Amino acid sequence: AQKVTQAQTEISVVEKEDVTLDCVYETRDTTYYLFWYKQPPSGELVFLIRRNSFDEQNEISGRYSWNFQKSTSSFNFTITASQVVDSAVYFCALSEAGSGGYQKVTFGIGTKLQVIP
Amino acid sequence: KAGVTQTPRYLIKTRGQQVTLSCSPISGHRSVSWYQQTPGQGLQFLFEYFSETQRNKGNFPGRFSGRQFSNSRSEMNVSTLELGDSALYLCASSPSQGANTEAFFGQGTRLTVV
Repeated sequence: AQKVTQAQTEISVVEKEDVTLDCVYETRDTTYYLFWYKQPPSGELVFLIRRNSFDEQNEISGRYSWNFQKSTSSFNFTITASQVVDSAVYFCALSEAGSGGYQKVTFGIGTKLQVIP
Repeated sequence: KAGVTQTPRYLIKTRGQQVTLSCSPISGHRSVSWYQQTPGQGLQFLFEYFSETQRNKGNFPGRFSGRQFSNSRSEMNVSTLELGDSALYLCASSPSQGANTEAFFGQGTRLTVV
């Protein structure tokens, strides 16, 4: 069964600090996709990144970086030099192909990040 | 290109009533999914529609139902509302159904049941 665990429910950091959001997943599939989404106070989730199970290369996009490790079933997200605008709830999600090839997505419970000026 | 539009944004209903929420996906997107978001449970998958057919369903009671129209717009209905149905209901659209497809979310409908 699919499962996504985000053990940190809330994190507070002071602006300019680095912060890492943890994500641990469980799946029996060999082909799957991992996502991170950001939910600002306005409500809509915004897609940040997708990573497939065969690509363990880490990725950096500006102040954001992602570390995917299949050996520990983790897909952690680091924000470098955090800013107040980074304050949001961040969701990690796992997607597999369900029966019939349709997408089956499981979200973690989310980590609320507060960046204090 | 317009994003995913959900109406209404806020709704207050009384226990026992029913409610219908609407979602207009991004133009060209044929897959629409619905999620319930509560503080304690995070995002819980309700169902997914593709080409007017329900393809996936989450673990919710039959009081929760939905449909998709030929223009890909979708509605979800909750009958006999309970206090525990108070939540943010999010709709997401995708251009396809592949497991690698990211979802585009609306701002949600915040339902309060009193």
